[in-house]
Amino acid sequence: AQSVTQLGSHVSVSEGALVLLRCNYSSSVPPYLFWYVQYPNQGLQLLLKYTSAATLVKGINGFEAEFKKSETSFHLTKPSAHMSDAAEYFCAVTKRGYSTLTFGKGTMLLVSP
Amino acid sequence: NAGVTQTPKFQVLKTGQSMTLQCAQDMNHNSMYWYRQDPGMGLRLIYYSASEGTTDKGEVPNGYNVSRLNKREFSLRLESAAPSQTSVYFCASSEDSYEQYFGPGTRLTVT
Repeated sequence: AQSVTQLGSHVSVSEGALVLLRCNYSSSVPPYLFWYVQYPNQGLQLLLKYTSAATLVKGINGFEAEFKKSETSFHLTKPSAHMSDAAEYFCAVTKRGYSTLTFGKGTMLLVSP
Repeated sequence: NAGVTQTPKFQVLKTGQSMTLQCAQDMNHNSMYWYRQDPGMGLRLIYYSASEGTTDKGEVPNGYNVSRLNKREFSLRLESAAPSQTSVYFCASSEDSYEQYFGPGTRLTVT
């Protein structure tokens, strides 16, 4: 079975500070990993994905994530937070040929001025 | 392109009532999904349809039924609503499972 664990249900940063949202996965086979973002009262949208190509993946809005097999991690980062980044972020995992995603419980990012 | 649309946006039911949540996508995707989102629980898969004519149970299927009406439409039915089904319901579609496109959600309250 596959699973993801997101450390911290809430993360608070100041505008301009580094954003780091943590995701660790468990998978018996090479995983495909994703970060989705959910703005208030909206559905989820894909930020970025890792599907076994480059381990450093760049996404929309300046976010990036690095796949580290030795640490079973796929942490999401952004060098400088904007107020508009305030949202809930979900890490998800699947594997090649599998029909569904397994989502983490989410991390709410709060950005203060 | 409207993407994934869901109706209704909001619904209040009494315990024991039934209702159907509608979902449609205009991206010609093969796969469609129904999730529920509860605070602190993330998204949990209720049912999915990997292709037209097939449906499969997800993590939390009890109390729900689905119909893949055609390639565009995938409905979720609550036959006898319970307060535990109070949630936000999301429909999604994808060509493969790797990038799922989500609808805006339906907020359901069961009293």
